[in-house]
Amino acid sequence: DQQVKQNSPSLSVQEGRISILNCDYTNSMFDYFLWYKKYPAEGPTFLISISSIKDKNEDGRFTVFLNKSAKHLSLHIVPSQPGDSAVYFCAASFSGGYNKLIFGAGTRLAVHP
Amino acid sequence: DAGVTQSPTHLIKTRGQQVTLRCSPISGHKSVSWYQQVLGQGPQFIFQYYEKEERGRGNFPDRFSARQFPNYSSELNVNALLLGDSALYLCASSLGGTKGVYFGAGTRLSVL
Repeated sequence: DQQVKQNSPSLSVQEGRISILNCDYTNSMFDYFLWYKKYPAEGPTFLISISSIKDKNEDGRFTVFLNKSAKHLSLHIVPSQPGDSAVYFCAASFSGGYNKLIFGAGTRLAVHP
Repeated sequence: DAGVTQSPTHLIKTRGQQVTLRCSPISGHKSVSWYQQVLGQGPQFIFQYYEKEERGRGNFPDRFSARQFPNYSSELNVNALLLGDSALYLCASSLGGTKGVYFGAGTRLSVL
């Protein structure tokens, strides 16, 4: 039972344009969501998170939007840079779930000049 | 400050063998979790330890076990290795919750 889904395995974007990565979840008990970026041969690096009491969180070029009624969140990167090319994972957790993160399968983003 | 460190970085074992993976959390972090990442999938939760006690366990067989030491470092043990255990094993540490979870670079295990 895949509770967190990233339906787009890959995304290609031109440098300077917006990248939009999507994530859907099925469990309404999730109340905290995170995005991680992963380069080859490295562990996932935390990017940005959002609590279920908010619908938007912004940090520099990265903005995460949460639509609880649709059980959908998205990560916007503006403007996209070649260094953003990596695999992006969406993750979700429960209150009191300690470190238990439930990840999607990831989306490989390629930003080309 | 050092991040989460894992050893070894790569490991090759044969079916039926046993393996021990090691993790040192970020200084001050008391919670350590282990994840398995199979090629093409996201990390999957195996264990979580907090203050040396197991606080959570994922859907993995009893061949997988772990422990946390007084200095908060941790070991993951896998017995009777199967080909399907080949994966990247990630360790993560945090102060306790899921806010501020930091991952190590992982140990890549290949079972032949």
